[in-house]
Amino acid sequence: DGGITQSPKYLFRKEGQNVTLSCEQNLNHDAMYWYRQDPGQGLRLIYYSQIVNDFQKGDIAEGYSVSREKKESFPLTVTSAQKNPTAFYLCASSIWTGGETQYFGPGTRLLVL
Amino acid sequence: RKEVEQDPGPFNVPEGATVAFNCTYSNSASQSFFWYRQDCRKEPKLLMSVYSSGNEDGRFTAQLNRASQYISLLIRDSKLSDSATYLCVVWGGNAGNMLTFGGGTRLMVKP
Repeated sequence: DGGITQSPKYLFRKEGQNVTLSCEQNLNHDAMYWYRQDPGQGLRLIYYSQIVNDFQKGDIAEGYSVSREKKESFPLTVTSAQKNPTAFYLCASSIWTGGETQYFGPGTRLLVL
Repeated sequence: RKEVEQDPGPFNVPEGATVAFNCTYSNSASQSFFWYRQDCRKEPKLLMSVYSSGNEDGRFTAQLNRASQYISLLIRDSKLSDSATYLCVVWGGNAGNMLTFGGGTRLMVKP
């Protein structure tokens, strides 16, 4: 089955620690996105990537980093610089950048210990 | 002012009721409009697109009013399984043509 997978489902971070969230897609989509969702709020764009080895900052990129070494993979690192990382993180992909239809992974819930 | 605004609710309705949600958007250059459904602790899933002429999908009807910059979703004959958060989503009109999400309206359908 084609789709987007994210792991882990839950992730715990200690103070000062960097953690990496995985996102993989087998839809052959060029564009991939990372969003953050806080309770009662809409999704906010962290980073997006149009093609391999290219990525752009979204609205709330500070404290996060990404890489796009393979078309299928777009991992997100939450660095120690992100002071309020507790949130629900969603990865999405679309056929092309700015494509109207985005397909979402199941999400990773990050909690700070 | 938020780019996409929704009443967070919750809307508590009995089974079989008709319920309507509205959403307003600030960017008049926005091009496409959607309703997504999000269950608790799950990812958003596309419910339906919204067209200027209005469109219907079973018990769901979506309307777009470009002049007033608002979008609506009407659910008829509510089912328990309709309980979820409904996200209003707007595409286009800004650099990069990204999706902009409203904060969602929570619906709870009770027996």
